[in-house]
Amino acid sequence: SQQGEEDPQALSIQEGENATMNCSYKTSINNLQWYRQNSGRGLVHLILIRSNEREKHSGRLRVTLDTSKKSSSLLITASRAADTASYFCATETGTASKLTFGTGTRLQVTL
Amino acid sequence: EPEVTQTPSHQVTQMGQEVILRCVPISNHLYFYWYRQILGQKVEFLVSFYNNEISEKSEIFDDQFSVERPDGSNFTLKIRSTKLEDSAMYFCASSVGGGGYTFGSGTRLTVV
Repeated sequence: SQQGEEDPQALSIQEGENATMNCSYKTSINNLQWYRQNSGRGLVHLILIRSNEREKHSGRLRVTLDTSKKSSSLLITASRAADTASYFCATETGTASKLTFGTGTRLQVTL
Repeated sequence: EPEVTQTPSHQVTQMGQEVILRCVPISNHLYFYWYRQILGQKVEFLVSFYNNEISEKSEIFDDQFSVERPDGSNFTLKIRSTKLEDSAMYFCASSVGGGGYTFGSGTRLTVV
C-alpha cells in the first residue's frame, strides 16, 4: 500500500450519525494531519497530531494515532450536511517537512 | 485569519506555452511549497523552498519547472513549456515549520 491510504474510499451517512475514516501509512512520521476539500476547492487544515500523541480533539473532530500500527483515524461526531467533502490524511516526514497525502475518503452526509 | 493567496484562480494555456503561477504565502512563514492535484487523484508534492533555495523536490519537478521568490512576499511556480498532462490544480502552501500548513485555494491550470 502507498504512504497514506484512507479507507473507506467513500462513505455515505445520514445527518446526526458519526463518520469514521481511517488512514494507514508506511514510514516513520513527524506528524499526521487531516485536511478537508470541498469539490474542486482548496485544502483546509483540520487537525494535526504529533508522533508522540495518541489522541486529539477539536470540536466535533477526534483523531487517534497508533504509531505501532502506522494508522490513524478521524471521527466526525454528529455529522451535518455541510460536512460533505473529501477528507485526506497527510503525513509529514523528514527535515524538509513535506507532506505526503493519502487517496482520500469522500464523505456524503444526507439529510 | 491569515491566508495564502494564489493567482490566477484559473488559467488556460496552449501546449508549449510558459505559465507562471503566483502565490503570496503568510508573511511570517518560513517554508513554502507547491503541490498539484490532477483531477480525481491525490495531492502530490512538487517542491519545498526554504531560506531562498529548494530544499526538496519530487520526481515530477523536472527541468520544465522552476520556483522563485522574487521579492519578500511572492512565491512563483513557472512551467516552461506546458504539456497536456500538466493540467491540474496547483496548490501553494506555507508553514512555520513543524506544524500545520496553510494552503491556498489553488490555481486550476488547463492546457489545451
